[in-house]
Amino acid sequence: GQQLNQSPQSMFIQEGEDVSMNCTSSSIFNTWLWYKQDPGEGPVLLIALYKAGELTSNGRLTAQFGITRKDSFLNISASIPSDVGIYFCAGPGGSQGNLIFGKGTKLSVKP
Amino acid sequence: NAGVTQTPKFRILKIGQSMTLQCAQDMNHNYMYWYRQDPGMGLKLIYYSVGAGITDKGEVPNGYNVSRSTTEDFPLRLELAAPSQTSVYFCASSYSKQGAGLAQHFGDGTRLSIL
Repeated sequence: GQQLNQSPQSMFIQEGEDVSMNCTSSSIFNTWLWYKQDPGEGPVLLIALYKAGELTSNGRLTAQFGITRKDSFLNISASIPSDVGIYFCAGPGGSQGNLIFGKGTKLSVKP
Repeated sequence: NAGVTQTPKFRILKIGQSMTLQCAQDMNHNYMYWYRQDPGMGLKLIYYSVGAGITDKGEVPNGYNVSRSTTEDFPLRLELAAPSQTSVYFCASSYSKQGAGLAQHFGDGTRLSIL
């Protein structure tokens, strides 16, 4: 079945640094979603992308829908301690036509 | 602004016990989902529903059952709890399965331990 590969699996960065993570799919997507999960909470939608090449920002976060429609990127600028958490990419797929999720990128920020 | 509400937040069960995880949403979403999240494994779909009275199996349905008698509620039932069902369970809802309505909204999860 369809799979989403997220990288890196984890990141340890200094406060103020920029962060980049990406997600690749084995098939073409028409929607990409990026979620963040804080410890002990459920995933929260950060950015949704609906068109190849689309670049969308949400504060310090910027996500891009890859031209090939098989990848997406999330960047965080000037990281702060509250950026700590797990970031998931997701897209429509699976045999049920529901969302499938990557395994997440765990971000740690050192003050 | 409740969104998706899950209860309980934590539970410990003995092997063989049964329980129901509750999920309610107040956004009038037709689509509802149950996932389990194991460490380092992302989210796996257990069951989903496209509307009241309609449910279907996801990727990992064995050992679980669901019902959808109303638009708002989507409970998940464990009949004979097994240690392999120790996990964090998330309920989610969405307006549709495509376009701008595809984005799913999640509850805060139920942390379940089977001992």
